[in-house]
Amino acid sequence: EIVMTQSPATLSVSPGERATLSCRASQSVSSKLAWYQQKPGQAPRLLIYGASTRATGIPARFSGSGSGTQFTLTISSLQSEDFAVYYCQQYSDWPPEYTFGQGTKLEIK
Amino acid sequence: EVQVVESGGDLVQPGGSLRLSCAASGFSFNNYEINWVRLAPGKGLEWVSYISSSGTNMYYSDSVKGRFTISRDNAKKSVYLQMNSLRGEDTAVYFCARAILGETGPFDYWGQGTLVTVSS
Repeated sequence: EIVMTQSPATLSVSPGERATLSCRASQSVSSKLAWYQQKPGQAPRLLIYGASTRATGIPARFSGSGSGTQFTLTISSLQSEDFAVYYCQQYSDWPPEYTFGQGTKLEIK
Repeated sequence: EVQVVESGGDLVQPGGSLRLSCAASGFSFNNYEINWVRLAPGKGLEWVSYISSSGTNMYYSDSVKGRFTISRDNAKKSVYLQMNSLRGEDTAVYFCARAILGETGPFDYWGQGTLVTVSS
């Protein structure tokens, strides 16, 4: 099983500032990496897939980078609606044994 | 408009069974792979099961293999998750999620989830 590790567990950032979230895979997943945003009581929302492709309707302030084992999600200028939990997910395995990171909680500083 | 709606969650005793349903609309259902993902209290997201667009191929996480069965009825635009021998650690909100067409992993549409509580 590919283990996904996110850091930090909690990130405190002020509105308008940049947030950088990290995700590391225990082995290479190439670019088969997605990022999701989840707010309490809501379904996860796909932000990024293919490590760097924004999903439909996702604002340009969200960007993803990386390949292999190291990935980054950057939110360039935090808006109030961006404070949530963020998960990375690898989908490299086949047959599927998709795994998620444990999540990073982005909170208002 | 794409919609995915889960139902069937309930309180069930350990060792019991439950069947979850996922009803889809607004897209060509028989072209898409569907997955179940769960979120347990205080934990992160966990992938549970996958079914191919035709229903021919099904896969499961190790934590549910042998106890859960995924199926689909393309005529009814629905996916099901039969859950047997339920345990306390199966307590979670269960989400049905559509995989992006042409990509097997990322999930672009999710339902709001249905709560399964396993407790005596």
